[in-house]
Amino acid sequence: KAGVTQTPRYLIKTRGQQVTLSCSPISGHRSVSWYQQTPGQGLQFLFEYFSETQRNKGNFPGRFSGRQFSNSRSEMNVSTLELGDSALYLCASSLAGRTYEQYFGPGTRLTVT
Amino acid sequence: AQTVTQSQPEMSVQEAETVTLSCTYDTSENNYYLFWYKQPPSRQMILVIRQEAYKQQNATENRFSVNFQKAAKSFSLKISDSQLGDTAMYFCAFMKNSNSGYALNFGKGTSLLVTP
Repeated sequence: KAGVTQTPRYLIKTRGQQVTLSCSPISGHRSVSWYQQTPGQGLQFLFEYFSETQRNKGNFPGRFSGRQFSNSRSEMNVSTLELGDSALYLCASSLAGRTYEQYFGPGTRLTVT
Repeated sequence: AQTVTQSQPEMSVQEAETVTLSCTYDTSENNYYLFWYKQPPSRQMILVIRQEAYKQQNATENRFSVNFQKAAKSFSLKISDSQLGDTAMYFCAFMKNSNSGYALNFGKGTSLLVTP
């Protein structure tokens, strides 16, 4: 079974632009979570989606948003990019009822210049 | 809010030796999970071991075992017979068992270097 895939793997954007990252979960997984990893703040939870509904949200500004489609694929969007948004963005998926077993994708490395 | 503290930013161990990574957490919850994740240089996050808070028995997975002290809110990871491939960042994480969504709270990580 294919693992969690994230596209693109690397991305360079300019301050003020917006960006959309994509995550395709493992087949059959309906829960998708997003995390931001930076050297300074470490790993921080962004949001979790289940059956197209945002079920949980971390402490991030409204510039960070996401959605989930009927096939469980998820996207996250960051508008008006700031230098501090440079990070590795990780996506994780899990089966319904087994959300304690989260499988991570390889991440998208976003660099904001 | 839950906090997870890993007090050892870096550790080193020789191949075949045993090493213990420390983790403490703070929570008022009673129903939760604790995890150790490994992140090698490839940056792929890999689950090493999971502990359910309601279980008194410590979890083990091959060479990896934990010492879960619920009252002390301590959750250490022991790696036996260390191998070069164990070199990685290790993150301790907490997850509340909730019907209103799930989130992993991570510690800052411990960088483990296994030397020949």
